[in-house]
Formats: sequence, structure tokens, C-alpha cells
Amino acid sequence: AQSVTQLDSQVPVFEEAPVELRCNYSSSVSVYLFWYVQYPNQGLQLLLKYLSGSTLVKGINGFEAEFNKSQTSFHLRKPSVHISDTAEYFCAVTDGSGNTGKLIFGQGTTLQVKP
Amino acid sequence: EPEVTQTPSHQVTQMGQEVILRCVPISNHLYFYWYRQILGQKVEFLVSFYNNEISEKSEIFDDQFSVERPDGSNFTLKIRSTKLEDSAMYFCASSGFHRSDTQYFGPGTRLTVL
Repeated sequence: AQSVTQLDSQVPVFEEAPVELRCNYSSSVSVYLFWYVQYPNQGLQLLLKYLSGSTLVKGINGFEAEFNKSQTSFHLRKPSVHISDTAEYFCAVTDGSGNTGKLIFGQGTTLQVKP
Repeated sequence: EPEVTQTPSHQVTQMGQEVILRCVPISNHLYFYWYRQILGQKVEFLVSFYNNEISEKSEIFDDQFSVERPDGSNFTLKIRSTKLEDSAMYFCASSGFHRSDTQYFGPGTRLTVL
């Protein structure tokens, strides 16, 4: 069964610094990969997704992620963070060969941007 | 921009009571999902629904759970006899025409079972 590991539960970073949130998944067989963000008291919002093609995916709010099949990773990056990026970030995977779009989530990483 | 809505935002119930959580998915979407997040834990898949039937369910989704799309717009999750361990945030999501399409999530219903 698919699983997703987010290696950092909390990432504190100063404003305007770069950040990387790490995500590894258990199998490289035909997967679709997603990053979602959850702001306080809100639902999950899609940041970006990888289905196929270019391994570097650009998303909203200046975020990007790189799909690395050999390392089964999909790390999220931003070159310069803002206070408003403070939120919970979830990596998720779905089985590309499955019958439904069931998402398997990682445990989340809390990004804390300090002034 | 279309969005998924959920009601109520917070539901408090006594153990053993039935609860119905309601969701209005985006109107032209075909795939519907329920997920839950117990406090401090990861978001977990409960069930997916397509073409008026369950297409996949998790081990969590036992006989006390059921889903329904009663009128073509609402999508409900019913818990027949709530347990303390059902306390969680429940998220509804919907997606368009293919299972790889983006799932749009509602803001969630926080269920507290006393």
C-alpha cells in the first residue's frame, strides 16, 4: 500500500529565507503527487501537482516541487518565504493505476515564518 | 470561484447518537470524497463516491458509516452511532471528470463526541 512520509513536522524559518519541505512516498509505480496547504480554520487548498512530464512543477504563491523518481521524493521549495506562508503543508499521493482518486496524505509539516 | 461548502462547521453530539454531515460539492463535479483528520494526526481517506455508488472505502469506513447523494447537489456522511474516537475534522472533497483531477476540499466539519 502507498504511504507518504513528511520528514519534518515543523520547519521554522525567517521571512525572505528559502525553504524546503521534504516528502517521500513508498512506490514509484504510476503515481500522481500533490502538495496541499491548510491555513488556520480553512480547508485544504492545492498548491501544485505532478501527473507526468516535466519533473519540475510550479504552483501558486511562488512554490515549486521536483519529482524525483529514483529517490521517490517530491520536495516542495520556495526561494523566499513571507509571513503569510505560515500554514500546514501536506504532501499527498494517489495511485495512478487505481480506480479512484483516493489521496494518501503525509502527516503534514507546519511552516512557521518568523519576522 | 466555485467552492465546496460544508455544514455545520462544528457539531457536538453525545456518544451513541446519529450525526449527518453535509457537503455541497462543486456543481459539475463527478467524484466525491470524505476524509477525516483526528487532532494531531494525518488526513485519512474514508470513502469515494462516483456514479451514485461507493467506488472505494477504507477500513475505517465500517457499517456505522454511510454516504448518500440524495438530491443531486448534497453529499452526506452519516455516522449511525457515534463513538468517542469519531471525534475529528471531517473534510468533503470533489473533483471533475477524471480521478487525477484536482480535488477541491471544503472547510471541514469539526465533530466532537462527548
